[in-house]
Amino acid sequence: AQSVSQHNHHVILSEAASLELGCNYSYGGTVNLFWYVQYPGQHLQLLLKYFSGDPLVKGIKGFEAEFIKSKFSFNLRKPSVQWSDTAEYFCAVNPAYSGAGSYQLTFGKGTKLSVIP
Amino acid sequence: EAQVTQNPRYLITVTGKKLTVTCSQNMNHEYMSWYRQDPGLGLRQIYYSMNVEVTDKGDVPEGYKVSRKEKRNFPLILESPSPNQTSLYFCASIPRGMNTEAFFGQGTRLTVV
Repeated sequence: AQSVSQHNHHVILSEAASLELGCNYSYGGTVNLFWYVQYPGQHLQLLLKYFSGDPLVKGIKGFEAEFIKSKFSFNLRKPSVQWSDTAEYFCAVNPAYSGAGSYQLTFGKGTKLSVIP
Repeated sequence: EAQVTQNPRYLITVTGKKLTVTCSQNMNHEYMSWYRQDPGLGLRQIYYSMNVEVTDKGDVPEGYKVSRKEKRNFPLILESPSPNQTSLYFCASIPRGMNTEAFFGQGTRLTVV
């Protein structure tokens, strides 16, 4: 079974600082990778996803993530954070099975981001 | 509009009183799943269903039941809720295929006293 590790439990940044949230996964095969964001009191929203192709993926709200296969990593980045980015961020992975099959989406424990104005 | 709808959004109940959280999707997805979210633990899968009448346990199934009598609905049943089931619950539906993404409901915050 796959697992996901997010390195930071809570990150505190000032506005305009750069952000990098770490995510590593363990799984021997091909995977699909996701970052979700959860704003306070709200549901999960998809920030970005990687299925194949260019390992640098751009998502919504200026976020991007880079898939480094050799490191089993999918780190999330943003050059300049805003107060409105305060939220919890979840990395998730699922094995890229072909055809029908189960869909085991495994989440990391999340990283809380607090941006100070 | 494509969506996953959970009800209720908020629920406070007492220990032992059976309850059902409903989940409905209008996208004709085969796969549906329930997660619970707890601080510091992320989202953990409770049960999932690959299609009508096909369900299986996730990582934390104890104390929960599910059913999938029709494709659009996947209710989560707590026969005898306990305080350790106080949590935020999310339902998800996923289309069949290799490169697909999950669609999540808005969550149900359950408190068991």
